[in-house]
Amino acid sequence: GDSVTQMEGPVTLSEEAFLTINCTYTATGYPSLFWYVQYPGEGLQLLLKATKADDKGSNKGFEATYRKETTSFHLEKGSVQVSDSAVYFCAPGGRALTFGSGTRLQVQP
Amino acid sequence: DGGITQSPKYLFRKEGQNVTLSCEQNLNHDAMYWYRQDPGQGLRLIYYSQIVNDFQKGDIAEGYSVSREKKESFPLTVTSAQKNPTAFYLCASSITTGDSGNTIYFGEGSWLTVV
Repeated sequence: GDSVTQMEGPVTLSEEAFLTINCTYTATGYPSLFWYVQYPGEGLQLLLKATKADDKGSNKGFEATYRKETTSFHLEKGSVQVSDSAVYFCAPGGRALTFGSGTRLQVQP
Repeated sequence: DGGITQSPKYLFRKEGQNVTLSCEQNLNHDAMYWYRQDPGQGLRLIYYSQIVNDFQKGDIAEGYSVSREKKESFPLTVTSAQKNPTAFYLCASSITTGDSGNTIYFGEGSWLTVV
């Protein structure tokens, strides 16, 4: 079945630092790929997505590029803010999304 | 406003009781899902439904039951057979299932605690 491997957290950064959260997946074929974000005590919100190889998804300064050759979809942001503190989930599409354990990001002022 | 409404936000269950979590969506989506999240963990799929009057087991369906009598509603019952039900439950919906790039939208979640 589909699976996702994300870097373990927490990832702790200072404000304005560069962020990378690694995500690799295994899936049948070439599914769409998603990043979701979860703030404390809330549901998940779509952050960005890419539907085919080499596509770049972007939103709110976050970016991720669908790399078919490395089965990766790493999340990046050039300058994080305290308000970006949350848990981030990578997921390949399919009958339903398959989630990994997520990566907690803590941004300090 | 369009969205997914889960209720109650917080629920306490005694040992041996069944409880039902409500999920309603007004997005006109065909597909609906239930996920379970344990503290510090990812999400695991309990059940999903592609269309009214149809539903499929997910990865951890034992001890849970669902119904899909109306397009907008997908209630989840946590039965007494579920031995460790304390968790955060998330309902979600999408236009359809399958990898068509459709976004899955989530509700705000329901906290269930066994007392």
